[in-house]
Amino acid sequence: SQQGEEDPQALSIQEGENATMNCSYKTSINNLQWYRQNSGRGLVHLILIRSNEREKHSGRLRVTLDTSKKSSSLLITASRAADTASYFCATDVYNNDMRFGAGTRLTVKP
Amino acid sequence: DSGVTQTPKHLITATGQRVTLRCSPRSGDLSVYWYQQSLDQGLQFLIQYYNGEERAKGNILERFSAQQFPDLHSELNLSSLELGDSALYFCASSLRQGDTEAFFGQGTRLTVV
Repeated sequence: SQQGEEDPQALSIQEGENATMNCSYKTSINNLQWYRQNSGRGLVHLILIRSNEREKHSGRLRVTLDTSKKSSSLLITASRAADTASYFCATDVYNNDMRFGAGTRLTVKP
Repeated sequence: DSGVTQTPKHLITATGQRVTLRCSPRSGDLSVYWYQQSLDQGLQFLIQYYNGEERAKGNILERFSAQQFPDLHSELNLSSLELGDSALYFCASSLRQGDTEAFFGQGTRLTVV
């Protein structure tokens, strides 16, 4: 079964705008990761946030984690057309499997 | 290039047949994951190996099996194939078992006709 659930399923914005995607999960986790997938290709790791961290930054990416609400958000600032992709969250349930949600499909219009 | 190699890239086969998908993990990675992605769907976790041992099992059908060999490459065997098995199959590898980023191969696109 899926562990993470991304929201929204699809998001369309203009270049330069910010994009926010959310991920909710069901059980306690060790860490949460965000990945990006260009159409039909392999996933690429973006950022990992551990359960004892609340916020993490990487370039134009900002990830937050709220373990009390079992949720995480990914913010992409100043989006570009090249950011068009599907974004997935993955939860690591204490060093076992890595479960993905259904993803958010982001379209950035030039 | 992630360093993870999956072969073949494409596979077309008939219902009822058996196929083997191969994954070579990134050099030094001990953990291998297999995932199935149907059209426009999320990734369904199938199975995970660490240093040759099965560590976690997801929604893997009984018709599917996998193993990780001493040289750490892994194979996913799919038998008695059905039309619904058509999907992208991804392999990912990581250094440790969890708590670290995973590197994905480009996938094997399986079409069952």
